[in-house]
Amino acid sequence: QVQLVESGGGVVQPGTSLRLSCAASGFTFNNYGMHWVRQAPGKGLEWVAVISDNGRNENHADSVKGRFTISRDNYKNTVYLQMNSLRAEDTAVYYCVKTDCGGVDCRLLVFWGQGTLVTVSS
Amino acid sequence: DIQMTQSPSTLSASVGGRVTITCRASQNVGRWLAWYQQKPGKAPNLLIQKAVDLESGVPSRFSGSGSGTEFTLTISSLQPDDSAAYYCQQYSSFSTFGQGTKVEIK
Repeated sequence: QVQLVESGGGVVQPGTSLRLSCAASGFTFNNYGMHWVRQAPGKGLEWVAVISDNGRNENHADSVKGRFTISRDNYKNTVYLQMNSLRAEDTAVYYCVKTDCGGVDCRLLVFWGQGTLVTVSS
Repeated sequence: DIQMTQSPSTLSASVGGRVTITCRASQNVGRWLAWYQQKPGKAPNLLIQKAVDLESGVPSRFSGSGSGTEFTLTISSLQPDDSAAYYCQQYSSFSTFGQGTKVEIK
């Protein structure tokens, strides 16, 4: 069965960096685009980034553009989110999400990991 | 950017009752509209795609309707297990979510 396991969250200070990882199993990883979606405590869902199946194309939300970078390693079946210049407003649970096709325009979020909490606080 | 306005933000209904949640898009999104259910402390789960298509395993008491800018999620006979937050998502142009609707059981 499909599994997505996020890791790398924690408590960090403003201005620092963190890299999240998402290990995928149970499906042919290099056939699908992957997303990161976040949810601030007690708030709604916010799309963060998407990467295509082959890793050649990606898009990022305006709120994180220039600070966050999505990437993937199809040999390790893992997708990453490098987060730099972190701000208090980046505090959230970050979910790794599988989509239903390969391109960056594949935006249906068909399977979600359990999430990893990132807290940005001094 | 396409904005999604979801209403109500909270509703309370009795077991067996009918529940309707509305989602409005600021631009025409065709039928590129999905609904997700999120239970407390859990990840969201896809219920409906393309506005009306129920995902496998989702109870038939859930249904979706609409196109263009106005969409509805209906639970025909509310069950205790349906207590959750529900989010709409447009995926016509990038991806944006409604603010969510918390459904409580009276």
